[in-house]
Amino acid sequence: DAGITQSPRHKVTETGTPVTLRCHQTENHRYMYWYRQDPGHGLRLIHYSYGVKDTDKGEVSDGYSVSRSKTEDFLLTLESATSSQTSVYFCAIGSSGGNNEQFFGPGTRLTVL
Amino acid sequence: GENVEQHPSTLSVQEGDSAVIKCTYSDSASNYFPWYKQELGKRPQLIIDIRSNVGEKKDQRIAVTLNKTAKHFSLHITETQPEDSAVYFCAASINPGGYQKVTFGTGTKLQVIP
Repeated sequence: DAGITQSPRHKVTETGTPVTLRCHQTENHRYMYWYRQDPGHGLRLIHYSYGVKDTDKGEVSDGYSVSRSKTEDFLLTLESATSSQTSVYFCAIGSSGGNNEQFFGPGTRLTVL
Repeated sequence: GENVEQHPSTLSVQEGDSAVIKCTYSDSASNYFPWYKQELGKRPQLIIDIRSNVGEKKDQRIAVTLNKTAKHFSLHITETQPEDSAVYFCAASINPGGYQKVTFGTGTKLQVIP
C-alpha cells in the first residue's frame, strides 16, 4: 500500500495532554498531508507539507502543528488535546509529477477523554 | 473555497443492479476529480479519477462522468456485487503550484444486498 505507515494506530489520551502522530513514507514523495475524518464531514485537510521544513495550514488547522525534518517523516502534534479532536487521522502522500493521486496511510484512531 | 456536495448519503441496491452517486463542486478552477472507496476500518483507496479535459472514463464495471458546465460529476457502478459495499467519497482538486488541494464530499455508504 504505497509504502506509507502511521504510528500509533490507536491511542487513548486525556484532555490537556500533548499527542504526536507520525507518518512515515518510503516513496520519496514531495508532498505529505494530514487529514481528519469525522462522520458527516468526509476528510478535511489539517496541514500539508511541500518539502523538508516547508508546511502550510489546511482548512481545520486550529489546535494542530506539524513538522517535517526529513522527506520521509511528517509529524502531527496536538499541543493540548481536546475532546473535539477525537477522530480518525489519515496521512497521505503525493508526488509532484503529472499524476495527481494521493495515497493514504492506514489511519490513526485517536480518542481524547 | 471549494465546496463539494455528495448525494445520496446512503444507497442500498440489489446485487446485479446499478448504483449512481452524484457530486457537485463550486470552484471552476478544480481540474481533477478522484473517487475513493473506503471499506470499514480501512484507508480510502482510489478507484477511478477523471481530469477536467475528459468527459467520461470507464474501468470495467465503474465509470465516471464529468459535466464542467454544470459543475457536477457522477460515479456509476454496474452489475454491483457484495464486495462493492463500502463508503465512496468524491473529491475535487486543484493544484496551485504543485500541491494538491483536495476537497472531499461527505461520503455515500453503499450497501449491496445479495
